[in-house]
Amino acid sequence: ETGVTQTPRHLVMGMTNKKSLKCEQHLGHNAMYWYKQSAKKPLELMFVYNFKEQTENNSVPSRFSPECPNSSHLFLHLHTLQPEDSALYLCASSQGLLGGGNTGELFFGEGSRLTVL
Amino acid sequence: AQSVTQLGSHVSVSEGALVLLRCNYSSSVPPYLFWYVQYPNQGLQLLLKYTTGATLVKGINGFEAEFKKSETSFHLTKPSAHMSDAAEYFCAVSFSGGYNKLIFGAGTRLAVHP
Repeated sequence: ETGVTQTPRHLVMGMTNKKSLKCEQHLGHNAMYWYKQSAKKPLELMFVYNFKEQTENNSVPSRFSPECPNSSHLFLHLHTLQPEDSALYLCASSQGLLGGGNTGELFFGEGSRLTVL
Repeated sequence: AQSVTQLGSHVSVSEGALVLLRCNYSSSVPPYLFWYVQYPNQGLQLLLKYTTGATLVKGINGFEAEFKKSETSFHLTKPSAHMSDAAEYFCAVSFSGGYNKLIFGAGTRLAVHP
């Protein structure tokens, strides 16, 4: 139990569907992250939020839309995805942004395994 | 540009044998270095980290790593492998000065056989 909860753990969707991934952290952290983990590729940072404000969008296609209503919750809204978007999506949180007092410990959820048909 | 290279996508050892997972980084500024572990169907968990000070860092589950600036390396070791060490291990790097993301290596899958 890391204090970061992701739902759903598994999701299968068609290319025309709209779905959302949810992440909640119970650690009192200020920064939250979405990472994409694909087979045989390094983890890819997608988005970073600090105190609900987006601080990084790593050139992610617009079919992925993040939302951070407060420091404890992070969503990833999905629409018109492609089969190559199938991956494990990992949410993480940290006490602050790296370099701003936090030197790199991220707390990860167990991930949401997404399959796009 | 900063990058991380993990040599060997798969490593297999016998139970009780030495574990050595290799990580090299490229950086123009002093790095912060990390090893994370991912067990099946779980997220990543921090094993250990180097920020400043002593270059030999001890982590959880008997793992340790040594920062060697001259070799730009941060290899992970454990003297005696246990079956429960079977997992995927990721080396990562970040930097001081407000840079706010970790750069991960591609990972090394460790198999431990009896």
